[in-house]
Amino acid sequence: EVQLQESGPGLVKPSQSLSLTCSVTGYSITSNYWGWIRKFPGNKMEWMGYISYSGSTSYNPSLKSRISITRDTSKNQFFLQLNSVTTEDTATYYCARFMGPFDYWGQGVMVTVSS
Amino acid sequence: NIVLTQSPATLSVTPGESVSLSCRASQSISTSIHWYQQKSNESPRLLIKYASQSISGIPSRFSGSGSGTDFTLSINRVESEDFSIYYCQQSYSSLYTFGSGTKLEIK
Repeated sequence: EVQLQESGPGLVKPSQSLSLTCSVTGYSITSNYWGWIRKFPGNKMEWMGYISYSGSTSYNPSLKSRISITRDTSKNQFFLQLNSVTTEDTATYYCARFMGPFDYWGQGVMVTVSS
Repeated sequence: NIVLTQSPATLSVTPGESVSLSCRASQSISTSIHWYQQKSNESPRLLIKYASQSISGIPSRFSGSGSGTDFTLSINRVESEDFSIYYCQQSYSSLYTFGSGTKLEIK
């Protein structure tokens, strides 16, 4: 069975970088697409970006040059880095497999941006 | 951006009732719409893909319909475990977007 698990700090200071890891078991990240989605307080959901089976990436333009998604195929992990965070980036962050729909999700990690 | 508008925002029902949740797209998206259920403190669960395609392990009381701009998630005879938030998401545009959600609550 495909399983995903996010990990990373739950508290980040404004202007710093948010870094999260998604560990995947039961399926190789060298197949399909792997994405990050976040859910803000108040329930709004936002697709942030994905990394493909080949390592190419696609990002939500709203995140402009702040976002980077990379991977380590030897560990079957992919990563999110979001730079210059503000309190507006406080959210629950999910990783998921993307097949058009997002069919497998991690349990999510709540990240608060606060000094 | 393709905007997805879900209605109503909140739907209060009695267990055993059948309900329909709406998702309207700001432009035609064929059948590239997917539905999720999210219970409190859980991750979203895919219920229906491509407007009407069923997902293995999802109860048959959940069904989807629509094409173009208007889509519906139907729940036949709501059960207590169904009270949660439902989202639609489109994959027609490469800027993937979600609706704002419909909260299904107990009347």
